[in-house]
Amino acid sequence: ILNVEQSPQSLHVQEGDSTNFTCSFPSSNFYALHWYRWETAKSPEALFVMTLNGDEKKKGRISATLNTKEGYSYLYIKGSQPEDSATYLCAFLANAGGTSYGKLTFGQGTILTVHP
Amino acid sequence: NAGVTQTPKFQVLKTGQSMTLQCAQDMNHEYMSWYRQDPGMGLRLIHYSVGAGITDQGEVPNGYNVSRSTTEDFPLRLLSAAPSQTSVYFCASRGLYYGYTFGSGTRLTVV
Repeated sequence: ILNVEQSPQSLHVQEGDSTNFTCSFPSSNFYALHWYRWETAKSPEALFVMTLNGDEKKKGRISATLNTKEGYSYLYIKGSQPEDSATYLCAFLANAGGTSYGKLTFGQGTILTVHP
Repeated sequence: NAGVTQTPKFQVLKTGQSMTLQCAQDMNHEYMSWYRQDPGMGLRLIHYSVGAGITDQGEVPNGYNVSRSTTEDFPLRLLSAAPSQTSVYFCASRGLYYGYTFGSGTRLTVV
């Protein structure tokens, strides 16, 4: 079982704060790292798919960086808003041949609460 | 443009009963997966498929079967339901370089 870890488990911030959280994954056999946003009572939605070491992706106030050599990715939210409150999941895809490209392993998520 | 369609949305089963959770996608995606969500456990992979006719086991496959006879459909069968299978089930599909599109989920209770 692949070890994909996210920290912190939960985070409370005030509206307007900037915040970041971490996803750690195996540094060997890397193929891709996904980030998802999951609002309560909805289904997860893809934010980013990152494949190259040093990749940086941005979508509005949310951005992510990737370091495949040391096995971590950071997700940043600038100027948090209450509507950013959600669980943020990362997921690791290994390049291990065979059917491995189908096996996306999720971390347990970081629960973000933004207080007005 | 329906995306990923999961049925049913809710289901109550008695221990020992069998049932099939349906999943269909209309995006011609190669990759499809079934996950279960339990409190404190995140999303755990049950089974996945990399194309029609090709399936493989995830982290928690016991008690479940899948088949992928067409690109569009990926049903999940519970063989003999147990209370431990009470969970929320998500089906998802994607292309190789893209993130998953998830279905709306099935809330299953086994009594």
